[in-house]
Amino acid sequence: ETAVFQTPNYHVTQVGNEVSFNCKQTLGHDTMYWYKQDSKKLLKIMFSYNNKQLIVNETVPRRFSPQSSDKAHLNLRIKSVEPEDSAVYLCASSSGHSGNTLYFGEGSRLIVV
Amino acid sequence: TQTVSQSDAHVTVFEGDSVELRCNYSYGGSIYLSWYIQHHGRGLQFLLKYYSGNPVVQGVNGFKAEFSKSDSSFHLRKASVHWSDSAVYFCAVRASSGSWQLIFGSGTQLTVMP
Repeated sequence: ETAVFQTPNYHVTQVGNEVSFNCKQTLGHDTMYWYKQDSKKLLKIMFSYNNKQLIVNETVPRRFSPQSSDKAHLNLRIKSVEPEDSAVYLCASSSGHSGNTLYFGEGSRLIVV
Repeated sequence: TQTVSQSDAHVTVFEGDSVELRCNYSYGGSIYLSWYIQHHGRGLQFLLKYYSGNPVVQGVNGFKAEFSKSDSSFHLRKASVHWSDSAVYFCAVRASSGSWQLIFGSGTQLTVMP
């Protein structure tokens, strides 16, 4: 049963446009994440957000930024998309950083043309 | 820094066969290990995890994994697979202290033939 909800699940846009993906979790977790999954299924952590503390993977380009209104929401904004941003973006949540059980959403597929 | 490798990109078996999906890690300290499954077009779902205690951990749907410190491994096994087990399986590691990242392996595509 899905408890991490992502919208939209699919988005096509042109190079240079701005895109936002929304994520909401109903599990009462205090930590949320964004992962990027490329066409080879490789997963790369992008951000973690816990108690208003943001941790950023230093390899993530600056055009990506997370936005959180409360601990149940963590959105992902891409300011000016590039072709290499085409991927599936997966949102996840957990209880704290110390555990390793992540609950994932169904993913948001981005296609940049 | 912890790393994880899954040596088999693809594994194909027949329904009813047993299967082992391999996972090796490198890290000098205490570590969390887990397995996740991703069906086509879906998000990842947690299968099982190990931190300490009994090195054999049971997961959902008949999956189990065995931790071996000497081999630096955490292989996933199932005695009799079903066609619905066809999916990509990810091994993941996290250092028990000082790390916020859950690092995923490259995944193994399991295909179960009827």
